[in-house]
Amino acid sequence: GQNIDQPTEMTATEGAIVQINCTYQTSGFNGLFWYQQHAGEAPTFLSYNVLDGLEEKGRFSSFLSRSKGYSYLLLKELQMKDSASYLCAGMDSNYQLIWGAGTKLIIKP
Amino acid sequence: NAGVTQTPKFRILKIGQSMTLQCTQDMNHNYMYWYRQDPGMGLKLIYYSVGAGITDKGEVPNGYNVSRSTTEDFPLRLELAAPSQTSVYFCASSYREITDTQYFGPGTRLTVL
Repeated sequence: GQNIDQPTEMTATEGAIVQINCTYQTSGFNGLFWYQQHAGEAPTFLSYNVLDGLEEKGRFSSFLSRSKGYSYLLLKELQMKDSASYLCAGMDSNYQLIWGAGTKLIIKP
Repeated sequence: NAGVTQTPKFRILKIGQSMTLQCTQDMNHNYMYWYRQDPGMGLKLIYYSVGAGITDKGEVPNGYNVSRSTTEDFPLRLELAAPSQTSVYFCASSYREITDTQYFGPGTRLTVL
């Protein structure tokens, strides 16, 4: 079956760095997405990886290892506004997104 | 641009009632999607469309219907509402490729009692 696993909840301190891991099993693979979702709001796009390696976008970076079925989202210089759920989604051979349940990130002052 | 808009924002239905969730995008996107999000669960794809006149089932289509008569609109119809359809419904769209970024509407919170 197809599956996306990510931790349910993580806590970090303002100004610190946090890494949110995601492992995936999909039928075929056409890329890995990360979305941010603030409570009561819609998901918004953060990153898309289809090749192995690290993609950096300002304070956020995303890493993919296709051989290990593994990705992570790295958030640096954490700010209180980064408190949100982070959704990992793998795209299968039919180009459908398989979504993880999300990781709720709590930032403490 | 308003992006992706959804109406209504909230709705309470009685078991057996029907309703249509409206979704409109003004970005001239080809692809449109309907998802449901249950508490503590990932988004589940209900239906999607690759262009006007073309729709296809996603992972959880039972109890729902869609149509796509124009590029802009992608309504979701619930027939004979059941408590299991209590959820938050998101409409999304993407431009040319199915791997493009999906832009989400604000969601409709539906409760079936």
